[in-house]
Amino acid sequence: QKEVEQNSGPLSVPEGAIASLNCTYSDRGSQSFFWYRQYSGKSPELIMFIYSNGDKEDGRFTAQLNKASQYVSLLIRDSQPSDSATYLCAVFNSGYSTLTFGKGTMLLVSP
Amino acid sequence: DTEVTQTPKHLVMGMTNKKSLKCEQHMGHRAMYWYKQKAKKPPELMFVYSYEKLSINESVPSRFSPECPNSSLLNLHLHALQPEDSALYLCASSQDQGGPNYGYTFGSGTRLTVV
Repeated sequence: QKEVEQNSGPLSVPEGAIASLNCTYSDRGSQSFFWYRQYSGKSPELIMFIYSNGDKEDGRFTAQLNKASQYVSLLIRDSQPSDSATYLCAVFNSGYSTLTFGKGTMLLVSP
Repeated sequence: DTEVTQTPKHLVMGMTNKKSLKCEQHMGHRAMYWYKQKAKKPPELMFVYSYEKLSINESVPSRFSPECPNSSLLNLHLHALQPEDSALYLCASSQDQGGPNYGYTFGSGTRLTVV
């Protein structure tokens, strides 16, 4: 069973702070990793993907991947109330050729 | 066009009804997916179509019947559903099921309520 684990939260941060969201996965053969943002009642929206160890930055978002530790994280700098949503970590299983989602972490950014 | 379009957005159906959900994409993606999502839960994979052929059925009850008439269109036919089937049904597509993967593009979903 391929597992993707996330803390369900909520993670509460003040506006302007850095939010750090974490995800671990069980399948060492996993090749690609995705972060989706989902607002309540809406569909998931892809915000970042990462394939290689290290950091990948896109605007206020930074994805970090450590394959040795089977750990992927998402940092959101200068958090805004509009960032309040559930963040889903997803891992691509090459053997099964599908995405497996974690349960998501709810982020609350207070003004 | 970088969208996945799902219709209808909302559907209320009785347990004896037959209805269909529709999904369409024009991005040239060759893999399409149906997911089911209950409140405060992650999306759960139901079906995968790759090059218009069903490649994965996650042991979904037969009251859900997928269909892929062509590479741009995916349907989910519903019959004799139960109240516990009420959920957000999400369609997604990707360039290919395997190989380099750039993530799935999700449609806006159909909110299904079974009464």
